[in-house]
Amino acid sequence: DIVMTQTPLSSPVTLGQPASISCRSSQSLVHSDGNTYLSWLQQRPGQPPRLLIYKISNRFSGVPDRFSGSGAGTDFTLKISRVEAEDVGVYYCMQATQSWTFGQGTKVEIK
Amino acid sequence: EVQLVESGGGLVQPGGSLRLSCAASGFTFSSYWMHWVRQAPGKGLVWVSRINSDGSSTSYADSVKGRFTISRDNAKNTLYLQMNSLRAEDTAVYYCATAPGIAPRAPAHWGQGTLVTVSS
Repeated sequence: DIVMTQTPLSSPVTLGQPASISCRSSQSLVHSDGNTYLSWLQQRPGQPPRLLIYKISNRFSGVPDRFSGSGAGTDFTLKISRVEAEDVGVYYCMQATQSWTFGQGTKVEIK
Repeated sequence: EVQLVESGGGLVQPGGSLRLSCAASGFTFSSYWMHWVRQAPGKGLVWVSRINSDGSSTSYADSVKGRFTISRDNAKNTLYLQMNSLRAEDTAVYYCATAPGIAPRAPAHWGQGTLVTVSS
Protein backbone atom coordinates (compact mmCIF):
# COMPACT_ATOMS: atom_id res chain seq x y z
CA ASP A 1 0.00 0.00 0.00
CA ILE A 2 1.16 3.53 -0.74
CA VAL A 3 1.74 5.60 2.41
CA MET A 4 1.28 9.38 2.25
CA THR A 5 3.21 11.50 4.75
CA GLN A 6 2.41 15.18 5.26
CA THR A 7 4.50 17.88 6.95
CA PRO A 8 3.87 19.86 9.02
CA LEU A 9 0.88 18.43 10.87
CA SER A 10 0.02 21.88 12.18
CA SER A 11 0.60 25.26 10.55
CA PRO A 12 -0.24 28.48 12.39
CA VAL A 13 -0.22 31.29 9.86
CA THR A 14 -0.80 35.03 9.86
CA LEU A 15 -3.65 36.34 7.72
CA GLY A 16 -2.33 37.52 4.38
CA GLN A 17 0.85 35.47 4.66
CA PRO A 18 1.70 32.38 2.61
CA ALA A 19 1.41 28.79 3.77
CA SER A 20 2.95 25.63 2.41
CA ILE A 21 2.25 21.95 3.04
CA SER A 22 4.45 19.09 1.88
CA CYS A 23 3.38 15.57 1.03
CA ARG A 24 5.60 12.61 0.30
CA SER A 25 4.49 9.23 -1.01
CA SER A 26 6.22 5.93 -0.22
CA GLN A 27 6.48 5.15 -3.94
CA SER A 28 6.13 6.98 -7.22
CA LEU A 29 2.61 8.13 -8.01
CA VAL A 30 3.14 8.02 -11.78
CA HIS A 31 0.45 5.74 -13.17
CA SER A 32 1.03 3.42 -16.11
CA ASP A 33 -1.11 5.82 -18.17
CA GLY A 34 1.47 8.56 -17.57
CA ASN A 35 -0.66 10.61 -15.19
CA THR A 36 0.10 11.34 -11.55
CA TYR A 37 -3.07 11.10 -9.50
CA LEU A 38 -2.20 13.33 -6.57
CA SER A 39 -4.94 15.53 -5.16
CA TRP A 40 -5.33 18.02 -2.34
CA LEU A 41 -8.49 18.36 -0.29
CA GLN A 42 -9.64 20.89 2.29
CA GLN A 43 -11.91 20.02 5.18
CA ARG A 44 -13.42 22.89 7.11
CA PRO A 45 -14.74 22.18 10.61
CA GLY A 46 -17.96 20.19 10.50
CA GLN A 47 -17.90 19.86 6.72
CA PRO A 48 -17.12 17.03 4.29
CA PRO A 49 -13.87 17.27 2.37
CA ARG A 50 -13.68 19.56 -0.65
CA LEU A 51 -11.45 18.95 -3.67
CA LEU A 52 -8.97 21.76 -4.31
CA ILE A 53 -6.33 20.35 -6.65
CA TYR A 54 -6.18 17.27 -8.86
CA LYS A 55 -3.36 15.69 -10.90
CA ILE A 56 -0.74 17.63 -8.92
CA SER A 57 -1.51 21.15 -10.09
CA ASN A 58 -5.00 21.46 -11.60
CA ARG A 59 -7.38 23.64 -9.62
CA PHE A 60 -10.89 22.23 -9.42
CA SER A 61 -13.87 24.32 -10.41
CA GLY A 62 -14.45 27.30 -8.13
CA VAL A 63 -11.16 27.03 -6.24
CA PRO A 64 -9.46 30.41 -5.73
CA ASP A 65 -6.18 30.94 -7.56
CA ARG A 66 -4.34 31.56 -4.28
CA PHE A 67 -4.21 27.76 -4.04
CA SER A 68 -1.55 26.05 -6.14
CA GLY A 69 -0.04 22.59 -6.32
CA SER A 70 3.31 21.38 -7.57
CA GLY A 71 5.65 18.42 -7.46
CA ALA A 72 6.44 15.18 -9.21
CA GLY A 73 7.12 11.52 -8.53
CA THR A 74 6.99 11.22 -4.74
CA ASP A 75 7.21 14.82 -3.51
CA PHE A 76 4.38 17.32 -3.69
CA THR A 77 3.48 20.71 -2.27
CA LEU A 78 0.32 22.72 -1.72
CA LYS A 79 0.79 26.47 -1.41
CA ILE A 80 -1.63 29.14 -0.30
CA SER A 81 -0.27 32.47 -1.51
CA ARG A 82 -2.14 34.64 1.01
CA VAL A 83 -4.07 32.91 3.75
CA GLU A 84 -7.61 34.13 4.37
CA ALA A 85 -9.82 33.41 7.37
CA GLU A 86 -11.95 30.98 5.33
CA ASP A 87 -8.87 28.82 4.67
CA VAL A 88 -8.84 27.53 8.25
CA GLY A 89 -9.26 23.77 8.30
CA VAL A 90 -7.44 20.52 7.69
CA TYR A 91 -5.72 19.83 4.38
CA TYR A 92 -5.15 16.33 3.04
CA CYS A 93 -3.05 15.07 0.20
CA MET A 94 -4.43 11.99 -1.44
CA GLN A 95 -3.20 9.53 -4.04
CA ALA A 96 -5.42 7.62 -6.45
CA THR A 97 -2.73 5.99 -8.57
CA GLN A 98 -3.17 2.74 -6.65
CA SER A 99 -6.52 2.61 -4.83
CA TRP A 100 -6.95 5.66 -2.57
CA THR A 101 -4.72 6.72 0.31
CA PHE A 102 -4.82 9.93 2.31
CA GLY A 103 -2.13 11.78 4.23
CA GLN A 104 -2.60 12.34 7.96
CA GLY A 105 -3.86 15.88 7.45
CA THR A 106 -2.36 19.30 8.18
CA LYS A 107 -4.29 21.69 10.38
CA VAL A 108 -4.09 25.29 9.19
CA GLU A 109 -5.04 27.84 11.80
CA ILE A 110 -4.67 31.58 12.22
CA LYS A 111 -2.00 32.86 14.62
CA GLU B 1 -26.09 19.74 -9.36
CA VAL B 2 -24.39 16.59 -8.05
CA GLN B 3 -25.84 15.36 -4.76
CA LEU B 4 -24.80 12.43 -2.61
CA VAL B 5 -26.92 11.75 0.46
CA GLU B 6 -25.89 9.09 2.96
CA SER B 7 -28.25 7.43 5.40
CA GLY B 8 -28.45 4.40 7.65
CA GLY B 9 -26.00 5.35 10.38
CA GLY B 10 -26.73 5.01 14.07
CA LEU B 11 -25.79 3.31 17.30
CA VAL B 12 -25.09 -0.42 17.13
CA GLN B 13 -23.62 -2.91 19.59
CA PRO B 14 -20.29 -4.60 18.94
CA GLY B 15 -20.83 -7.60 16.67
CA GLY B 16 -23.92 -6.02 15.14
CA SER B 17 -24.74 -5.00 11.58
CA LEU B 18 -25.77 -1.89 9.71
CA ARG B 19 -26.44 -1.07 6.06
CA LEU B 20 -25.51 2.37 4.82
CA SER B 21 -27.03 3.89 1.70
CA CYS B 22 -25.87 6.73 -0.54
CA ALA B 23 -28.50 8.21 -2.85
CA ALA B 24 -27.00 9.91 -5.89
CA SER B 25 -28.46 12.52 -8.21
CA GLY B 26 -27.35 15.13 -10.71
CA PHE B 27 -25.01 12.89 -12.68
CA THR B 28 -25.02 9.60 -14.58
CA PHE B 29 -24.55 7.35 -11.56
CA SER B 30 -24.12 4.18 -13.61
CA SER B 31 -21.03 5.59 -15.34
CA TYR B 32 -18.86 6.21 -12.29
CA TRP B 33 -16.94 4.24 -9.72
CA MET B 34 -18.06 4.95 -6.17
CA HIS B 35 -16.14 4.92 -2.91
CA TRP B 36 -16.76 4.83 0.83
CA VAL B 37 -14.38 6.81 3.05
CA ARG B 38 -14.61 7.02 6.83
CA GLN B 39 -13.38 9.43 9.48
CA ALA B 40 -13.17 8.46 13.13
CA PRO B 41 -13.95 11.28 15.59
CA GLY B 42 -11.10 13.81 15.52
CA LYS B 43 -9.08 11.70 13.10
CA GLY B 44 -8.17 11.74 9.42
CA LEU B 45 -9.75 10.31 6.28
CA VAL B 46 -9.48 6.58 5.61
CA TRP B 47 -10.52 4.86 2.41
CA VAL B 48 -12.84 1.91 3.05
CA SER B 49 -14.07 0.44 -0.22
CA ARG B 50 -14.82 1.07 -3.89
CA ILE B 51 -16.99 -0.41 -6.58
CA ASN B 52 -16.73 -0.03 -10.34
CA SER B 53 -19.48 1.40 -12.49
CA ASP B 54 -21.42 -1.81 -13.19
CA GLY B 55 -20.77 -3.43 -9.82
CA SER B 56 -18.66 -6.27 -11.17
CA SER B 57 -15.48 -5.30 -9.32
CA THR B 58 -14.98 -4.31 -5.68
CA SER B 59 -12.06 -3.57 -3.39
CA TYR B 60 -11.70 -3.18 0.37
CA ALA B 61 -9.29 -1.88 2.96
CA ASP B 62 -7.68 -4.71 4.93
CA SER B 63 -9.35 -3.46 8.11
CA VAL B 64 -12.86 -4.23 6.77
CA LYS B 65 -12.21 -7.09 4.36
CA GLY B 66 -14.52 -10.01 5.04
CA ARG B 67 -16.84 -7.90 7.21
CA PHE B 68 -18.06 -5.14 4.87
CA THR B 69 -19.69 -5.51 1.46
CA ILE B 70 -20.09 -2.69 -1.04
CA SER B 71 -22.81 -2.88 -3.68
CA ARG B 72 -24.85 -0.63 -5.93
CA ASP B 73 -28.22 -0.48 -7.64
CA ASN B 74 -27.82 1.56 -10.81
CA ALA B 75 -31.57 1.50 -11.44
CA LYS B 76 -32.10 3.24 -8.11
CA ASN B 77 -28.96 5.43 -8.30
CA THR B 78 -27.95 4.12 -4.90
CA LEU B 79 -24.72 2.88 -3.35
CA TYR B 80 -24.68 0.59 -0.30
CA LEU B 81 -22.29 -0.55 2.39
CA GLN B 82 -23.31 -3.62 4.37
CA MET B 83 -21.33 -3.67 7.60
CA ASN B 84 -21.25 -6.85 9.67
CA SER B 85 -19.33 -7.90 12.80
CA LEU B 86 -18.93 -4.27 13.76
CA ARG B 87 -16.19 -3.27 16.17
CA ALA B 88 -15.62 -0.19 18.32
CA GLU B 89 -12.89 0.90 15.91
CA ASP B 90 -15.46 1.12 13.10
CA THR B 91 -16.99 4.13 14.85
CA ALA B 92 -16.75 6.96 12.34
CA VAL B 93 -18.54 9.26 9.95
CA TYR B 94 -18.93 7.37 6.69
CA TYR B 95 -18.84 9.37 3.45
CA CYS B 96 -19.63 8.24 -0.06
CA ALA B 97 -17.58 9.95 -2.75
CA THR B 98 -17.00 9.87 -6.46
CA ALA B 99 -14.58 11.23 -9.02
CA PRO B 100 -16.14 12.93 -12.05
CA GLY B 101 -14.65 12.73 -15.51
CA ILE B 102 -13.40 16.32 -15.44
CA ALA B 103 -11.17 15.50 -12.47
CA PRO B 104 -10.18 11.89 -13.11
CA ARG B 105 -9.50 9.83 -10.01
CA ALA B 106 -10.01 12.89 -7.79
CA PRO B 107 -12.88 12.81 -5.27
CA ALA B 108 -14.74 15.96 -6.25
CA HIS B 109 -18.12 14.96 -4.88
CA TRP B 110 -18.84 13.95 -1.30
CA GLY B 111 -21.94 13.40 0.73
CA GLN B 112 -22.44 15.02 4.12
CA GLY B 113 -21.68 11.73 5.85
CA THR B 114 -23.55 9.45 8.23
CA LEU B 115 -22.31 8.67 11.74
CA VAL B 116 -21.88 5.07 12.84
CA THR B 117 -21.28 4.50 16.54
CA VAL B 118 -20.35 1.03 17.73
CA SER B 119 -20.77 0.79 21.48
CA SER B 120 -22.43 -1.32 24.13
